[in-house]
Amino acid sequence: EVQLVESGGGLVQPGGSLRLSCAASGFTASNYAMSWVRQAPGKGLEWVSAISGSGSHTFYADSVKGRFTISRDNSKNTLYLQMNSLRAEDTAVYFCARVKQEKIFDRWGQGTLVTVSS
Amino acid sequence: DIVMTQSPDSLAVSLGERATVNCKSSQSVLYSSDNKNYLAWYQQKPGQPPNLLIYWASTRESGVPDRFSGSGSGTDFTLTISSLRAEDVAVYYCQQYYGSPTFGQGTKVEIK
Repeated sequence: EVQLVESGGGLVQPGGSLRLSCAASGFTASNYAMSWVRQAPGKGLEWVSAISGSGSHTFYADSVKGRFTISRDNSKNTLYLQMNSLRAEDTAVYFCARVKQEKIFDRWGQGTLVTVSS
Repeated sequence: DIVMTQSPDSLAVSLGERATVNCKSSQSVLYSSDNKNYLAWYQQKPGQPPNLLIYWASTRESGVPDRFSGSGSGTDFTLTISSLRAEDVAVYYCQQYYGSPTFGQGTKVEIK
């Protein structure tokens, strides 16, 4: 069974940093691109970042470019999102998602909440 | 970025009746080289992550009931639930993947 389990969320002050992790199981992670998608409280979905199966190609939304870094360790079947210079508007539930093909998200984790507040 | 606009924002439908959600993109998501529409639909129930229903505008994901169908091309798309069941109460999102992925604002489907 495919499972994606996020961790690392929490409360952080504006300007602070946080690293999210997403542990994958039930499939060969290196065969799939992966992505992060976030959802502010009571709001819609916003794509954040994506990474190719090998990790050699990365992509970012303009809203996080230069502040967030996506990476993966296929030996550990784990996806990461390093978030720096956090802002109040980054407050959201962060989901990791498997990319079926193109940028179609076919499996999602339960999400981890990031709150940026003083 | 391609802007996705859904209508209506919410709708209430009687059990067993048809529910229709519309999605319009600010530019065409039909890729001429493969003649495919780069458009997906997701269902999100309260407290849960989104669930992929439809991709390539009309291809149903494995395990999705056949009462869910997608149609449309270019800039105008529709998700139809042919006979609404109680478990279909959710927010539905369209998403384009022609460019950097963007989602519609969501349509809340409720029981009348």
